[in-house]
Amino acid sequence: SQQGEEDPQALSIQEGENATMNCSYKTSINNLQWYRQNSGRGLVHLILIRSNEREKHSGRLRVTLDTSKKSSSLLITASRAADTASYFCATEGAQKLVFGQGTRLTINP
Amino acid sequence: DAGVIQSPRHEVTEMGQEVTLRCKPISGHNSLFWYRQTMMRGLELLIYFNNNVPIDDSGMPEDRFSAKMPNASFSTLKIQPSEPRDSAVYFCASSLSRGREQFFGPGTRLTVL
Repeated sequence: SQQGEEDPQALSIQEGENATMNCSYKTSINNLQWYRQNSGRGLVHLILIRSNEREKHSGRLRVTLDTSKKSSSLLITASRAADTASYFCATEGAQKLVFGQGTRLTINP
Repeated sequence: DAGVIQSPRHEVTEMGQEVTLRCKPISGHNSLFWYRQTMMRGLELLIYFNNNVPIDDSGMPEDRFSAKMPNASFSTLKIQPSEPRDSAVYFCASSLSRGREQFFGPGTRLTVL
């Protein structure tokens, strides 16, 4: 399966600190996407990184992709209480977008 | 744009009853996806359509589940008969094309008693 696996499953940090979440996958991909889900809501797309890209930024978000290690990381800098949510990586391969189980991020005030 | 619209937002039904979930994708999007989310299994792709044609329904659990997309602005997911294990949040998502970012609806929380 090409399913991404996030690590850690849960992360709790203080407001203002940086949060790093990792994603590993098994097969070759066309792109990798990160999504956020607030409790009881639908997923919201954060960033897409293509297989020929190594790093991408969007505001306080930084995503890296290492295709040789089949892994990606999502860094949220200067975290805020509003960043509390679940974060999912999703890998786009030959067939479809496959989501991992997610990392539950809690930002403590 | 109003985003992806799903109805109903909540559905409580009894085992054996038919359930129909509805989705209106974002105008101009060519791909539509149905997902199911549970604590145990996470987010699972059930089926996706491209230009109203079902492309991959390998995620549909069994024959009790069926999905249609009669036109570019409407899709349904039907469960008949429903069972307690179908209880989950069902999401519809759309994208400009496969491989692009997906826009999710708010979901339908289904409870089968």
